[in-house]
This record gives sequence, C-alpha cells and structure tokens, in this order.
Amino acid sequence: EIVMTQSPATLSVSPGERATLSCRASQSISSNLAWYQQKPGQAPRLLLYGASTRATGIPARFSGSGSGTEFTLTISSLQSEDFALYYCQQYNNWPRTFGQGTKVEIK
Amino acid sequence: EVQVVESGGGLVQPGGSLRLSCEASGLTFNTYSMNWVRQAPGKGLEWLSYISSTSRTIYYADSVKGRFTISRDNAKNSLYLQMNSLRAEDTAVYYCAPISCSSTTCNHYFDNWGQGTLVTVSA
Repeated sequence: EIVMTQSPATLSVSPGERATLSCRASQSISSNLAWYQQKPGQAPRLLLYGASTRATGIPARFSGSGSGTEFTLTISSLQSEDFALYYCQQYNNWPRTFGQGTKVEIK
Repeated sequence: EVQVVESGGGLVQPGGSLRLSCEASGLTFNTYSMNWVRQAPGKGLEWLSYISSTSRTIYYADSVKGRFTISRDNAKNSLYLQMNSLRAEDTAVYYCAPISCSSTTCNHYFDNWGQGTLVTVSA
C-alpha cells in the first residue's frame, strides 16, 4: 500500500498570504495525484488532478506541482473561504490512498 | 449535472449488518466505475471499495475485506455496500463516488460527491 504523508498537519496563515502544502508518497505515483478541499460538514471538493490540473471552477490561485513522490499544493493569496482541510490522494495503485490532511487555519 | 445520493445509514450494534445504497443521476451510470469512501468523525478520508462498470472488477481496502461487499444494479442506477460484522471503528460518514470521466478518458479521482450517510456502530 502506498502511504501518503502530508505536512504540516496544521498551517497558520494570514489572509492574503501564500500557503504551501506538501504531500509525499511512499513510492512513485507518477503524476497520479489529486488534491481535495473539505470544509466542516461538507463533502470533499476536487481541486486538482494530475498533480497540477485545476478541476472545473477552481480559481487560479490554487496550483499544484510535483511528480514521482513529492507534491505541492500552493494557494497564492489566501481568501477567507480557503481556510479548510486539504487532502491529497494517489490513484496510481490499489488501494487508493489519501493523506491524513493539512488544516489551513487563520493566523 | 451529476448527483449522487447515499442512503441507508443509521445506528447498528457491534456485530450487526447494514446495507448502504447510492443513487446516481446525470451520468450514464452503466459506463462509470464507482467507489465507496468513508470518513470517521474528526478523521481523514479512507477509500474502501471499487467496482467496475460491469461489476467484473472489484477491489477492497484491507480494513473491510471479507466483511463488506460492493455491488451495483445498472438498471436502477444504483450502487450498494453490504456491511457485515460491523465494529465501532466502522463508525463514519460513507460517501459513494464515481470515477471522473471526460469525453475521451476516465481517471480514478473523484469530482462528484454526495453528502454521505452516517453509520454509527454502538451498543
């Protein structure tokens, strides 16, 4: 099983600042990585797939990079609606696995 | 617009059984592979099971293998999860999620989620 490790667990950022979230895979997953955002009481929302392609309707301030085992989600200028939980998910191997999540909170 | 609606959750005693259902609309259901994903209270997301469009290919997470059974009825646009020998650690919100497909390709990430159905396993 591929273990996905996200860091940090919690990221404290001021509105308007840049946030950088990391996701590491225990073995290579090529670019088969997705990022999701989840707010309390809501289902996850797909942000990015293929490590760097924004899903429909996702603002340009969300960007992704990486391949192989190291991946990054960057939010260029945090808006109030961006404070949430973020998960990465690999879809290269079975079983599909998620990271444990990074909480982006207001500093 | 794709919509998925999960149902069938509730309170069940340890060792008991429950059958979850998921009805999907806005997509050609019999061409979409489907998944179940769960989230325990205050915890992260856990992929549980996959079934191909024809039911020919099925996968399970180790945590539920031998206890849970995924199935589908394409005539009813419905997905199911039969859960047996339930444990306290199965307490979670259960989501069904189709894979993501464009006009040319499909990939195994999830761009459509329902609101989930809560399963509580407790005496």
